Amino acid sequence: NAGVTQTPKFQVLKTGQSMTLQCAQDMNHNSMYWYRQDPGMGLRLIYYSASEGTTDKGEVPNGYNVSRLNKREFSLRLESAAPSQTSVYFCASSDGEWGEQYFGPGTRLTVT
Amino acid sequence: AQKITQTQPGMFVQEKEAVTLDCTYDTSDQSYGLFWYKQPSSGEMIFLIYQGSYDEQNATEGRYSLNFQKARKSANLVISASQLGDSAMYFCAMREYGANSKLTFGKGITLSVRP
Repeated sequence: NAGVTQTPKFQVLKTGQSMTLQCAQDMNHNSMYWYRQDPGMGLRLIYYSASEGTTDKGEVPNGYNVSRLNKREFSLRLESAAPSQTSVYFCASSDGEWGEQYFGPGTRLTVT
Repeated sequence: AQKITQTQPGMFVQEKEAVTLDCTYDTSDQSYGLFWYKQPSSGEMIFLIYQGSYDEQNATEGRYSLNFQKARKSANLVISASQLGDSAMYFCAMREYGANSKLTFGKGITLSVRP
């Protein structure tokens, strides 16, 4: 039981490049989330998926797109990376409305 | 206005002593949940404890307890018998009713445990 997995762990992009961050969970959770963590800012929600087939914007969605591929997988895409997107990205999942969220190990992204 | 406020500067505690990490929150909902997460230097986010707004008892999980004062809108984390491994960043978070399980996080508090 791996919990929440994320790939890659580290990535360096040049401004304007695109990439997709992958997230998968094996806990049969309905809800999945993408957060970014910047120094001094705590975690901020980018997008979330309350259930398979639905996605909604969070606090900081600009510059990102998401896909809930199936119940297990939730990907985050940067179409044209910008230095302001340099951050640590966390994927999380939860079971139902009030379950605690379980986090993946994070992806450290640097955009030069 | 910030929904979760963690204003303490870096906190220090002696090993084996207790420490309280402060968290205040702002919501107009009657139904909400409060969470604490630990982030060690390795970077992962570890769930510690949960308190529901209707829970009458303060939540406890091993050495962690949550001092929930609803009228003051505070949800302080108390760590008893601190250990060196407790050195980490600690985040308070809130989920409001009908928010589709979205968590709003505070900016975190750094705790250092001295031997």
